[in-house]
Amino acid sequence: DTGVSQDPRHKITKRGQNVTFRCDPISEHNRLYWYRQTLGQGPEFLTYFQNEAQLEKSRLLSDRFSAERPKGSFSTLEIQRTEQGDSAMYLCASSRGADLETQYFGPGTRLLVL
Amino acid sequence: GQQVMQIPQYQHVQEGEDFTTYCNSSTTLSNIQWYKQRPGGHPVFLIQLVKSGEVKKQKRLTFQFGEAKKNSSLHITATQTTDVGTYFCAGPGNTDKLIFGTGTRLQVFP
Repeated sequence: DTGVSQDPRHKITKRGQNVTFRCDPISEHNRLYWYRQTLGQGPEFLTYFQNEAQLEKSRLLSDRFSAERPKGSFSTLEIQRTEQGDSAMYLCASSRGADLETQYFGPGTRLLVL
Repeated sequence: GQQVMQIPQYQHVQEGEDFTTYCNSSTTLSNIQWYKQRPGGHPVFLIQLVKSGEVKKQKRLTFQFGEAKKNSSLHITATQTTDVGTYFCAGPGNTDKLIFGTGTRLQVFP
């Protein structure tokens, strides 16, 4: 499968715990994006990387959130001290990085914070 | 900040009827993209429009980009049950992130 993959697909955690999600983009894609989607809403941008450099972070990304892409390939998104409001689908997308480039989405990680 | 709105929010149609969703941006867009998300699924890219007034067709789907590049529409002719899902338009923000519309959820009754 040459698409974007995400792991895990589902995560249930208790409030206050830390969680980490992984995204593997399409192999030749330089850009990697993280979005968050809550029920009935469109995806909201969180952050994106050009290779290993994190170029932009949304104001939605509080201090409890951190994302990395250490080798310019896969990326991780960590949420510390989870809150019930963090419950959402976390989507990863990648693109080649050219102008006006299409973004291809992974299946997402659905997080439920109890 | 930049906003992208879609109407209607929901649309229920009988199989065979037509469907249209409209997308409006608060700012001029360099391009508009359309995605479909099936229930429980993730957004899947459908098409990208770049030119002012551009019209593109994919089988029963017709996409249009407004002359002012601030609005767009998706029209489905003779809907089928496989068309069920939420249709999102998305435009680039001031950087490369996508600003998604609010989505139109389509339900098709057989």
